[in-house]
Amino acid sequence: DAGVIQSPRHEVTEMGQEVTLRCKPISGHNSLFWYRQTMMRGLELLIYFNNNVPIDDSGMPEDRFSAKMPNASFSTLKIQPSEPRDSAVYFCASSFGLGLNNEQFFGPGTRLTVL
Amino acid sequence: TQLLEQSPQFLSIQEGENLTVYCNSSSVFSSLQWYRQEPGEGPVLLVTVVTGGEVKKLKRLTFQFGDARKDSSLHITAAQPGDTGLYLCAGDLGGKLIFGQGTELSVKP
Repeated sequence: DAGVIQSPRHEVTEMGQEVTLRCKPISGHNSLFWYRQTMMRGLELLIYFNNNVPIDDSGMPEDRFSAKMPNASFSTLKIQPSEPRDSAVYFCASSFGLGLNNEQFFGPGTRLTVL
Repeated sequence: TQLLEQSPQFLSIQEGENLTVYCNSSSVFSSLQWYRQEPGEGPVLLVTVVTGGEVKKLKRLTFQFGDARKDSSLHITAAQPGDTGLYLCAGDLGGKLIFGQGTELSVKP
């Protein structure tokens, strides 16, 4: 079992550039979550999908952030344009369904640095 | 202001010592989870507690959910260097996971 796969693992970019983070959930899981982790704010839920449909995007900080899930095996989180305050570790997680009876499995994260 | 406050934020102890980490809130949660995160990796679920007053044990780790379901604690007996990591509590609020800031634990041999 490959687990949740995220790419890239590290991304360094300059302010104003577009950044795309990618996630492949565990096969068979139908719920996918995007989180952001910083020292100041800890781990925050940005958006989650169920059966490829966005359910709650209230955690998305600004219109510069967007997420898509075109199919059950792929999701992207895009930041355009990026700013230094977007620097963080972004995690993708997947589960069989919603609710705490369904364990969320986290990927290794993408460490984003915006200069 | 964090909905879930964890204390202490940092803890450095010697191998063999006992420790307790706390997770407190003014909100009531339907359930609460504890995760452990190692550097460069995502959090991994340790336990889920659902019932007020519930106690769960996982080897040397003991988890307790407060009677009012507003707080929880994690107690580690005879800590080992392998216990080193970031411990996160997370509460279920309307189907979404809300995480505490975490407790960074370092166990020195």
